[in-house]
Amino acid sequence: EVQLVESGGGLVQPGRSLKLSCAASGFTFSNYYMAWVRQAPKKGLEWVATISTSGSRTYYPDSVKGRFTISRDNAKSSLYLQMNSLKSEDTATYYCARHLYHYFDYWGQGVMVTVSS
Amino acid sequence: NIVLTQSPATLSVTPGESVSLSCRASQSISTSIHWYQQKSNESPRLLIKYASQSISGIPSRFSGSGSGTDFTLSINRVESEDFSIYYCQQSYSSLYTFGAGTKLELK
Repeated sequence: EVQLVESGGGLVQPGRSLKLSCAASGFTFSNYYMAWVRQAPKKGLEWVATISTSGSRTYYPDSVKGRFTISRDNAKSSLYLQMNSLKSEDTATYYCARHLYHYFDYWGQGVMVTVSS
Repeated sequence: NIVLTQSPATLSVTPGESVSLSCRASQSISTSIHWYQQKSNESPRLLIKYASQSISGIPSRFSGSGSGTDFTLSINRVESEDFSIYYCQQSYSSLYTFGAGTKLELK
């Protein structure tokens, strides 16, 4: 059974940093692209980042490019999201997702990030 | 960016009714659309890929259609467990975007 378990969320002040983690199990992690998708409170879904199987290629929308960094450790079956220069508009639930071809076929339960002073 | 417009924003139905949810793209995207269901306080679940391709484990009452700019998610005979928010997502552009969602609620 595919499982994705996020951790590392919490309350952080604007301008500070936070790193999210996602522990994967139930599939061969190194064979899949992985992604982060977020959802602001009472809002829709927003794709945040994708990383290739080896980690050599990463993709971001303009809203987070230059501030967020996605990475992975295939030996630990883990995915990460380093978030710097956080803004209030980054407040959201962050989902780790398996990125299969062009869609997201499995999602974690999500972790809440609140950016506030 | 490719903008996806979902309509209606809210759809009120009674169990047993059949419904169609719309997703319109701001430009032609072939069949590069995928549908997700999100129940209250849960993470999204993939329902349909590439406009009309079924997903293992998803009930057969869910189906998708369309190409170009207009897409439809159909639910044949809505069941109580189907009351959720439904999102479409495009992958024609590598800058993936989602629609704002359609909430399916009990009338």
